[in-house]
Amino acid sequence: NAGVTQTPKFRVLKTGQSMTLLCAQDMNHEYMYWYRQDPGMGLRLIHYSVGEGTTAKGEVPDGYNVSRLKKQNFLLGLESAAPSQTSVYFCASKRDGNSPLHFGNGTRLTVT
Amino acid sequence: QQQVKQSPQSLIVQKGGISIINCAYENTAFDYFPWYQQFPGKGPALLIAIRPDVSEKKEGRFTISFNKSAKQFSLHIMDSQPGDSATYFCAASKGGSRLTFGEGTQLTVNP
Repeated sequence: NAGVTQTPKFRVLKTGQSMTLLCAQDMNHEYMYWYRQDPGMGLRLIHYSVGEGTTAKGEVPDGYNVSRLKKQNFLLGLESAAPSQTSVYFCASKRDGNSPLHFGNGTRLTVT
Repeated sequence: QQQVKQSPQSLIVQKGGISIINCAYENTAFDYFPWYQQFPGKGPALLIAIRPDVSEKKEGRFTISFNKSAKQFSLHIMDSQPGDSATYFCAASKGGSRLTFGEGTQLTVNP
């Protein structure tokens, strides 16, 4: 039982490049989330999904897109990376309502 | 707009001491207040949570105190241990929707 798995763990991009971060969960959770973590700013919600085929914007969605074609996967895309997107990205999932969030171990992204 | 404000940003405590981290929120509709613990290189993990119908919840050495009228809640770690050294986040949500996190507190417990 792997829980929430994020790939890749590290990535360096040049400004303007694109990439996709993959999140996979094996707990049959309905809800999935993408957060970014920056020093002194806590965890800020980028996009989230309340079920297969659904997505919604969070606090800081600009510059990102997401897709949830399969229940177990939640993809985060950066179409044209900017240095301001340098951050640690966390994926999380939960079963429903106020059940606990389960986080992956993060992807450290640097945009030069 | 930061709906959940956390303090202090960092905290150093001696082994055996009490660690106290405070959070204040703005949205009176929030009805779920969890605390998450994060170790370096790992994702956050749920530590303890409270709902506004109780003023205190204790699990082992960890206690949440909740003051609804003041819109504040705090985490107390009794008998702090070096293994408690981590970053702690408070959070809040309403109706089971998305969590809003505080800025985080980096706790160091010296041996």
